[in-house]
Amino acid sequence: DIQMTQSPSSLPASLGDRVTITCRASQDIGNYLRWFQQKPGKSPRLMIYGATNLAAGVPSRFSGSRSGSDYSLTISSLESEDMADYYCLQSKESPFTFGSGTKLEIK
Amino acid sequence: EVQLVESGGGLVQPGRSLKLSCLASGFTFSNYGMNWIRQAPGKGLEWVASISSSSSYIYYADTVKGRFTISRDNAKNTLYLQMTSLRSEDTALYYCASPWDWGQGVMVTVSS
Repeated sequence: DIQMTQSPSSLPASLGDRVTITCRASQDIGNYLRWFQQKPGKSPRLMIYGATNLAAGVPSRFSGSRSGSDYSLTISSLESEDMADYYCLQSKESPFTFGSGTKLEIK
Repeated sequence: EVQLVESGGGLVQPGRSLKLSCLASGFTFSNYGMNWIRQAPGKGLEWVASISSSSSYIYYADTVKGRFTISRDNAKNTLYLQMTSLRSEDTALYYCASPWDWGQGVMVTVSS
């Protein structure tokens, strides 16, 4: 099974900061990588698909990138509404696997 | 507007069965693969099962294989998850998800 190692698990940051969350895949997943945002008590929301493509309605301060087996979600300038949990998901092969999540919180 | 509305959850005893439904609207349901994903209380997301648009391809997590069955009725725009031999560790909020959207989730609690 493909393992997705997500880091950090917790990320204290200040408004206006540039922040990056990373997932490392244990095997090749190509660009079959999605990022989700989940706010407390809410359903997850698709942010990035195909590793680098912004989902509809997602602010342009969010971006996705890939370097080898490392996939990153970057927020260029943190806003208060971005405080949430973030998860990556590989859908290259079954069983599809999520990263363990990153809690983005105000420092 | 896309809507995915799950139903069928509740409290069930260990070893019993439950069937979840997800009614889709606002998009061409028959064109897309669909998924069930769950989240235990206070925990992260866990993929459960996926089904292709025509039901030709079906995949399960190892934790539910042999106990859960995903299916769909494209004429009714509905996705299903039949859950049997339920265990306490199956207690979670179950989400129906298209490639782009998620439902609000339905709670399944397995307890005696």
